[in-house]
Amino acid sequence: ETGVTQTPRHLVMGMTNKKSLKCEQHLGHNAMYWYKQSAKKPLELMFVYSLEERVENNSVPSRFSPECPNSSHLFLHLHTLQPEDSALYLCASSRQAGENYGYTFGSGTRLTVV
Amino acid sequence: AQSVTQLGSHVSVSEGALVLLRCNYSSSVPPYLFWYVQYPNQGLQLLLKYTSAATLVKGINGFEAEFKKSETSFHLTKPSAHMSDAAEYFCAVSDVGNTPLVFGKGTRLSVIA
Repeated sequence: ETGVTQTPRHLVMGMTNKKSLKCEQHLGHNAMYWYKQSAKKPLELMFVYSLEERVENNSVPSRFSPECPNSSHLFLHLHTLQPEDSALYLCASSRQAGENYGYTFGSGTRLTVV
Repeated sequence: AQSVTQLGSHVSVSEGALVLLRCNYSSSVPPYLFWYVQYPNQGLQLLLKYTSAATLVKGINGFEAEFKKSETSFHLTKPSAHMSDAAEYFCAVSDVGNTPLVFGKGTRLSVIA
């Protein structure tokens, strides 16, 4: 049990579908993150939420839409994705944004866009 | 902006041999440095971190790393590799302040029996 739970673990979706990824943490952390992990590329930071407010958005296409209803839950809503969006999507949390004690990661959602 | 370079996308060692994974960072201020490990089909797990205390940092599973400011390096070592060490290893850096972690491309470690 890592403390950060991501569901589903695997997702296959068509380019016209709408789906959502879910992340949940009960560590009492105030910051949550979405990262994209593609083969042979560094982890890409997508979104940062601190105390439920988005504090960073790294030029992510609008087909990815994050939502943070409370400090324990983070969603990534997906629509009209492209095959190049296939990747492992990792959620992480930390006690506060930019905190330097390290992040706790979930196991990720393996997304395949067909 | 800070960045991290991991030399070697794949390192292969024999069981019982020394493990050395290289990481160099670029940062305008004294950084915070981390090593994470990722096993297949799992998320990243924190191995160890440097936060301006002792320059030699000990982590889990027998790993350690040494911060060398003059070389801007934070290499990860383990005296004797075990089969269970086979995984992907990521170095990450964060400047002081509210900056998210920036990760290197990762190094895949293979351990040969």
